[in-house]
Amino acid sequence: GNSVTQMEGPVTLSEEAFLTINCTYTATGYPSLFWYVQYPGEGLQLLLKATKADDKGSNKGFEATYRKETTSFHLEKGSVQVSDSAVYFCALSGPAGGTSYGKLTFGQGTILTVHP
Amino acid sequence: DTAVSQTPKYLVTQMGNDKSIKCEQNLGHDTMYWYKQDSKKFLKIMFSYNNKELIINETVPNRFSPKSPDKAHLNLHINSLELGDSAVYFCASSQGMSGRVIAGYTFGSGTRLTVV
Repeated sequence: GNSVTQMEGPVTLSEEAFLTINCTYTATGYPSLFWYVQYPGEGLQLLLKATKADDKGSNKGFEATYRKETTSFHLEKGSVQVSDSAVYFCALSGPAGGTSYGKLTFGQGTILTVHP
Repeated sequence: DTAVSQTPKYLVTQMGNDKSIKCEQNLGHDTMYWYKQDSKKFLKIMFSYNNKELIINETVPNRFSPKSPDKAHLNLHINSLELGDSAVYFCASSQGMSGRVIAGYTFGSGTRLTVV
């Protein structure tokens, strides 16, 4: 079945540091890939997405590139801010059919804390 | 105008009680979901409905029963609540294309259920 593996957290950085959160996946066919962010006490918000190989998703200074050859979708940001402190989830949507209809499979989440 | 709204936001109840959580979306999406997030932030799908039809029913105890009166609503009823049911429950919706989610989910803000 489909699966997503994220780097273990928590991740603690100083403001303006470079951020990488690794994400690799296992899926048949060509999944769509997503990063979601969950701020404290809130629901998940879509941060960025990519639907085919070599696509780059970007939003709010965050970027991730769909790498089919390494089955990866690593999240990066050049300079983090305190307000980026949140939980980040990598997710995929697999191909159609059967019980996987519309199903998003999430990684385990990575807690990011940014200090001033 | 909230896109996916859940009620209540907090729910504290005693073991053995029966409770319901309601969800409504005004996005015109055709698919709705319930996810459970445990204390370690891990997200696991419970159910999904497409146009009022149950599509995904993961390994969830029979005490949990979803109901979708129309495609804009998906409620979750839980019988005989147990301590282990304590978690945050998220409702979400999406517009799928042949089962593949292209644009991602829109999540509600969650219902924090505490069973005492």
